[in-house]
Amino acid sequence: AQSVTQPDIHITVSEGASLELRCNYSYGATPYLFWYVQSPGQGLQLLLKYFSGDTLVQGIKGFEAEFKRSQSSFNLRKPSVHWSDAAEYFCAVGPHSGGYQKVTFGTGTKLQVIP
Amino acid sequence: KAGVTQTPRYLIKTRGQQVTLSCSPISGHRSVSWYQQTPGQGLQFLFEYFSETQRNKGNFPGRFSGRQFSNSRSEMNVSTLELGDSALYLCASSGPLGTGTSGANVLTFGAGSRLTVL
Repeated sequence: AQSVTQPDIHITVSEGASLELRCNYSYGATPYLFWYVQSPGQGLQLLLKYFSGDTLVQGIKGFEAEFKRSQSSFNLRKPSVHWSDAAEYFCAVGPHSGGYQKVTFGTGTKLQVIP
Repeated sequence: KAGVTQTPRYLIKTRGQQVTLSCSPISGHRSVSWYQQTPGQGLQFLFEYFSETQRNKGNFPGRFSGRQFSNSRSEMNVSTLELGDSALYLCASSGPLGTGTSGANVLTFGAGSRLTVL
């Protein structure tokens, strides 16, 4: 069964500092990987996705993530955090082929940004 | 184009009642998935519908049900509400196979329906 682990429940960074959120996945084949962000009281917004090809993917709001097959990881990074980045971040894994859509989410990492 | 629309956004029910939540997907999207989000359990997959057929179901009791209409709009119903059903219920739609890259679909979420059971 597919699963996603986000080991950090809560992270605090200073505004302007760099950020890395960890994500490890378990999947029997080549996965599709996603990062979503959720602001309080809102739905989830897609930040970026990895399907194939270049293992470093760029997303919106200056985020990037690197797929490392050997480590089963898909960590999210941002070189300089802004106060508006405070939110909860979810890593997710989905099936590589079509048929049906079951995307499995991690438990999320809540990001706090301090001035 | 319009996003995923969920109604109602907030609702309060009492134990034993039933509730119906609605989701209108992005125009052209035929797949609708439902998730339950709670602080303790995170995002839990409820079920997914495609062309009016339930293709996959999560590990929830039979009190949770859903359906999809011919226009791809979906509803989910929870009967005999329990306190533990209090949650944010999220709906997500995705496009037809072949859209974008390699046949994979990307979920676009609505803002959710916040259910409080008293």
